[in-house]
Amino acid sequence: NAGVTQTPKFQVLKTGQSMTLQCAQDMNHEYMSWYRQDPGMGLRLIHYSVGAGITDQGEVPNGYNVSRSTTEDFPLRLLSAAPSQTSVYFCASSPLGQTQYFGPGTRLLVL
Amino acid sequence: GEDVEQSLFLSVREGDSSVINCTYTDSSSTYLYWYKQEPGAGLQLLTYIFSNMDMKQDQRLTVLLNKKDKHLSLRIADTQTGDSAIYFCAEIPTGFQKLVFGTGTRLL
Repeated sequence: NAGVTQTPKFQVLKTGQSMTLQCAQDMNHEYMSWYRQDPGMGLRLIHYSVGAGITDQGEVPNGYNVSRSTTEDFPLRLLSAAPSQTSVYFCASSPLGQTQYFGPGTRLLVL
Repeated sequence: GEDVEQSLFLSVREGDSSVINCTYTDSSSTYLYWYKQEPGAGLQLLTYIFSNMDMKQDQRLTVLLNKKDKHLSLRIADTQTGDSAIYFCAEIPTGFQKLVFGTGTRLL
């Protein structure tokens, strides 16, 4: 199993550009989530999904969209990037109600 | 509430024991977790404890849970250079699917 994979590893955007952060898992986990990590703030939940076709907002959803058309994939879209979205983004997956497995992260810089 | 709190930094000498503390406000969590994040890497599950336990030992790691005070700690015996990382405690409150993290403690 590859576990949880994320692409790209690094990305630089200009303000106003859009992009999609990819996340995939091959463990048939129902639950998938996106977090952002900022210094001194721990990990904050952006969006999560408890199964294909079901998504919900976390603590900091503004500026981000998600979809879950398959069990395996959970992309995170930034429609119009802002400098405040400069962060490290982690995707995670798990069976429902169990601990989560994390991807390696995507470092995003918005200029 | 779902706030999980940790101190930001802990500095110890090699060979000493490290104790990383965490407090939480939601006592309904079934499991409590410790994650380790090495520089430039994702989070790795270190250990976890079920809420009906008060202690769990796993090699150099000892987890203590005080449900009355809503206090969780992680003790690392014989701390080594390779233990330098950020340590996050986390919980999944009962009835929720989402993992709630503390702010992380950087062990130096």
